Order: sequence, then structure tokens, then C-alpha cells
Amino acid sequence: AQSVTQLGSHVSVSEGALVLLRCNYSSSVPPYLFWYVQYPNQGLQLLLKYTSAATLVKGINGFEAEFKKSETSFHLTKPSAHMSDAAEYFCAVCRATSNTGKLIFGQGTTLQVKP
Amino acid sequence: NAGVTQTPKFQVLKTGQSMTLQCAQDMNHNSMYWYRQDPGMGLRLIYYSASEGTTDKGEVPNGYNVSRLNKREFSLRLESAAPSQTSVYFCASSEARKGVGGHSNQPQHFGDGTRLSIL
Repeated sequence: AQSVTQLGSHVSVSEGALVLLRCNYSSSVPPYLFWYVQYPNQGLQLLLKYTSAATLVKGINGFEAEFKKSETSFHLTKPSAHMSDAAEYFCAVCRATSNTGKLIFGQGTTLQVKP
Repeated sequence: NAGVTQTPKFQVLKTGQSMTLQCAQDMNHNSMYWYRQDPGMGLRLIYYSASEGTTDKGEVPNGYNVSRLNKREFSLRLESAAPSQTSVYFCASSEARKGVGGHSNQPQHFGDGTRLSIL
């Protein structure tokens, strides 16, 4: 079975500081991995995706993530946090069954950005 | 381009009442999904439809039914609402093409959610 673990349900950084949100996955086959962001009272929006083309993936709003097979990790980073980055972030893995597109989500990490 | 549209946005029900959550997408996607979101638990898949005419159970299907009315529309029904079904419900859709290793590498697109309270 596949699973996703996000380390830290809440992360707080100062504006301008590095953002690091951690995601580890478990999968018996090569996974596809995604990061989504959710702003208050909205649905989830895709930040970036890993689909085996390149291990370092760049997404929207200056975010990027690196796929590390040896560490089974897909951590999300941004060099300099902005107040508008405050939101909840979800890591997700594609289940290795048919081509249905089903995703397994982590529990989510709430990012707080302090002025 | 509306994407994924969910109705209603908010609803309050009494225990035992029934209701249907509506979802429509205008991206011509094959696959559609219903999730519930609860604090600290991420999103959990209730039901999904890989293509028009098919539906399958997800992680937490008990107490729910679905209908894939056509390629655009995928509804979720609560036959007899219970307080444990108080949640935020999200509908999503994706192209769900097969990539390397049999996986789908197309991301899901989400609606804005339905906030459901059951008293």
C-alpha cells in the first residue's frame, strides 16, 4: 500500500526566511508525487508534480521540490517566504493500481508566515 | 473557464435527512472524485469514477452513494445523514492518462468545496 507522511502539522517562518515542508512517501513501485496548496475557504490548487522526468521540480509561486528516492522524500522548499504563502499544504502520491488517477494525501501542513 | 463547480457551498442538515451534493466539470476529464476533508486527516477518498459509466469505492464509502450522470457530472448522496458526516466535501477531476509504470501523471483539479454540517 502507498502512504504519505508530512512531518509537522504546523510550520511557522518569518517573512523572507526559507520555507521547508517535509514529505515522505511509501511505495512499492515508482510513484508520482504532487504538492497542493489550499488557501482558506478554497479548494486545492496544484503547486507542482513529479512524474519521473526530473528529480528537481519547479512549481508556481517560487516553490520547488526534490525527489530523493534513497530517502523516499519529496520536500517542498521556497527560498524566501512571503505573507501570501500562508496556507495549508498537502503532499500526495499516486496509487500504483490502474490508470484511475487516485491520490493518497498526507495529513497536511499549515504554514504560518510572521511579519 | 469554470473548471470544477460544486453546489451547494454550504448546507446544514438534521440527522436522518438526505441530500445530494452536485459536481460538474467543464474540462472534458474522464475521471472524477469525491473527497472529505477533516482536521488533521488530510483528504480521504469517498468514491471515484474512472470513466463515464463506472464508479468505485474509495477509503471511506460507508453512508454515501454516487452517480456518474454523464461525463461532466458526478453527484454524491447522503441517504441518512449522521453527525459523523459533518465535513468539507471536495469534488475533483483529472484526465487520468496512463504514464510510465501504469500510473496516472495528470493532476487533479478541485472545486471550492461544500461545507456540510449535520446536527
